[in-house]
Amino acid sequence: GAVVSQHPSWVICKSGTSVKIECRSLDFQATTMFWYRQFPKQSLMLMATSNEGSKATYEQGVEKDKFLINHASLTLSTLTVTSAHPEDSSFYICSASLSAASFEQFFGPGTRLTVL
Amino acid sequence: AQSVAQPEDQVNVAEGNPLTVKCTYSVSGNPYLFWYVQYPNRGLQFLLKYITGDNLVKGSYGFEAEFNKSQTSFHLKKPSALVSDSALYFCAVSANRDDKIIFGKGTRLHILP
Repeated sequence: GAVVSQHPSWVICKSGTSVKIECRSLDFQATTMFWYRQFPKQSLMLMATSNEGSKATYEQGVEKDKFLINHASLTLSTLTVTSAHPEDSSFYICSASLSAASFEQFFGPGTRLTVL
Repeated sequence: AQSVAQPEDQVNVAEGNPLTVKCTYSVSGNPYLFWYVQYPNRGLQFLLKYITGDNLVKGSYGFEAEFNKSQTSFHLKKPSALVSDSALYFCAVSANRDDKIIFGKGTRLHILP
């Protein structure tokens, strides 16, 4: 149980285009979903926290207009990287929580974004 | 604000030997502590957590961790390492159940056959 999927697992796009990444909780309803970014050989950095039906809460330094997060249902959250640039290339990982408690997070397999 | 430190970038252990991956934390109040493992190009897999109770926590794949309040440590251990344990290990801390989780920078574990 508590499986989280991400799609796509990897994507290559041209600079200036937008990319959407989906995060789904497959066998449970996720009250809260989290989006992380991981640079090579570095830790996970929380980008934003989203609750179903409400606006995402972004961490300091994360541009909300560039990284659009939509949490339309209890099983789906999307991250759209708008007008992508090479510096946006990274590994993006989502997680989902069974409750409002942040510590009960189940992580997706990640999406590797490469912007050319 | 809470923080977590993993002092070793890499740990090398011979297969069959015991392993320890170190983690220290800083948080006001009682910590929520976690260990996760990440395989190449994969998301994080939960290993174990400490919330309260027994200081020795047992988790997945034979791993365990010991909470030491006086030393503010939560080291990950396994009695006998397997080559398949080779991966990137993250320690994480949260100040309370609703607060965000802060991850350490990770420790790469190499188990040598």
